[in-house]
Amino acid sequence: ILNVEQSPQSLHVQEGDSTNFTCSFPSSNFYALHWYRWETAKSPEALFVMTLNGDEKKKGRISATLNTKEGYSYLYIKGSQPEDSATYLCAFNQAGTALIFGKGTTLSVSS
Amino acid sequence: DSGVTQTPKHLITATGQRVTLRCSPRSGDLSVYWYQQSLDQGLQFLIQYYNGEERAKGNILERFSAQQFPDLHSELNLSSLELGDSALYFCASSEEAGQGMIEQYFGPGTRLTVT
Repeated sequence: ILNVEQSPQSLHVQEGDSTNFTCSFPSSNFYALHWYRWETAKSPEALFVMTLNGDEKKKGRISATLNTKEGYSYLYIKGSQPEDSATYLCAFNQAGTALIFGKGTTLSVSS
Repeated sequence: DSGVTQTPKHLITATGQRVTLRCSPRSGDLSVYWYQQSLDQGLQFLIQYYNGEERAKGNILERFSAQQFPDLHSELNLSSLELGDSALYFCASSEEAGQGMIEQYFGPGTRLTVT
């Protein structure tokens, strides 16, 4: 059974801190890796779709890296702000299969 | 706003009943996906439709069924409801048939409570 693990489960940081989370997935037959941001009472919103080993994507203060050979992706947030508080979901799939989502990392940023 | 709409937002019903959840995809998107988010579980893929045809099936119970209509909206039918079916049900849409290469756009979800 394919599984996606995210760590930590939750994280609390102060405004201005930089932080990172990990997503681990099976390294065989990799096809794509997605990161979504899910704010409370809203719907998940795509941050990045990554497909190539060594991919690095950036959107503002948020960036992600991908290592398909060892089966992990990191999401980085630089200078966290209270509005970054959300659950960050990672999803992975192999060719021809559905996305498998992790349980997410819940980030709380205090001002 | 993702452009994906779901109705109703909340639904409370009794065990043994049947309900229908509705989803309208983003304009131009042909694929619709249904997910279930239960307590302490990640988003679980249920089923995907592409342009009216079933494209992929996940861990969808036999008591559940879905369809996509010619106008591309989709309905998820849940029958013989059990307490364990209480969850947040999301619909998502994308342009393409294959999963993975492009992002999915999620609706606001339907919170189902079975009492």
